[in-house]
Amino acid sequence: QVQLQESGPGLVRPSETLSLTCTVSGGSISTYYWTWIRQPPGKGLEWIGYIYYSGRTNYNASLRSRVTMSLDASRNQFSLKLSSVTAADTAVYYCARDPLGLQYFDSWGQGALVTVSS
Amino acid sequence: QSVLTQPPSASGAPGQRVAISCSGSNSNIGSNPVSWYRQLPGTAPTLLINSNDQRPSGVPDRFSGSKSGTSASLAISGLQSEDEADYYCASWDDGLNGWLFGGGTKLTVL
Repeated sequence: QVQLQESGPGLVRPSETLSLTCTVSGGSISTYYWTWIRQPPGKGLEWIGYIYYSGRTNYNASLRSRVTMSLDASRNQFSLKLSSVTAADTAVYYCARDPLGLQYFDSWGQGALVTVSS
Repeated sequence: QSVLTQPPSASGAPGQRVAISCSGSNSNIGSNPVSWYRQLPGTAPTLLINSNDQRPSGVPDRFSGSKSGTSASLAISGLQSEDEADYYCASWDDGLNGWLFGGGTKLTVL
C-alpha cells in the first residue's frame, strides 16, 4: 500500500518561500496525479494544485502566481514551493494521490504544520 | 466561502442513521464524480466514498453515497461513537479547472 510523508520546515518567515517535499513509498511516483492540499487551523480543506507524473501542473487560480510544483521520479518525491508567504498561509499541508485523475484522493500524507511568523 | 455547500453540523444518537448533504452546481457535481472524506480529530482525511457511491476496500457498508443532479449525500447508518469526525465532500470543477471541497460537516454522536 502506498504511503506518503511530508517533510520540510515547520516555521517560515513572512515574505519568504515555503518549501515542502512529499516522499512516496510502497509504489512508483511514475503514474497518477500528485496533489497538495492545505488546511488552515480550525478551517476546511483547500486544493493547492497537482503535478502529473509527466510534469504537467495545474494550480489553484488564487495561488497560481506564488506556487511551483516539481517531481523527482528518481527519488520518488514531489515538492511544493509557495513564495511570498503571509500569516494567511499558516496551515497543515497535505500531499495526496489522485489515482485516476480528477476523481478522488485515495492516499494522504499525515500532514505537515507550517507556521508563518517572524 | 466554499462553492460546495455542506451543513456545518449534524448529529444523531448511537444506532441511528444520519445524512450529510453537499450542494454544488452544473460545473462541479453536475458534471463530475463526488468523493467523501472523513477526518478524525488531529489526523489526515481519509477516503470514505469515491465516484459518488463506491466504497473503497475496508470502508464499512454503514457508509453510503449518492448523487442526484447537482447535489450529493453521504449517509451513515448504525451510528457509532467513533463516527464523530469532520466529513468533507469534493468534486472537480470544470469552470474553475480545479478541485473544490465542501466546507465540512462536524458530526456529533449524542
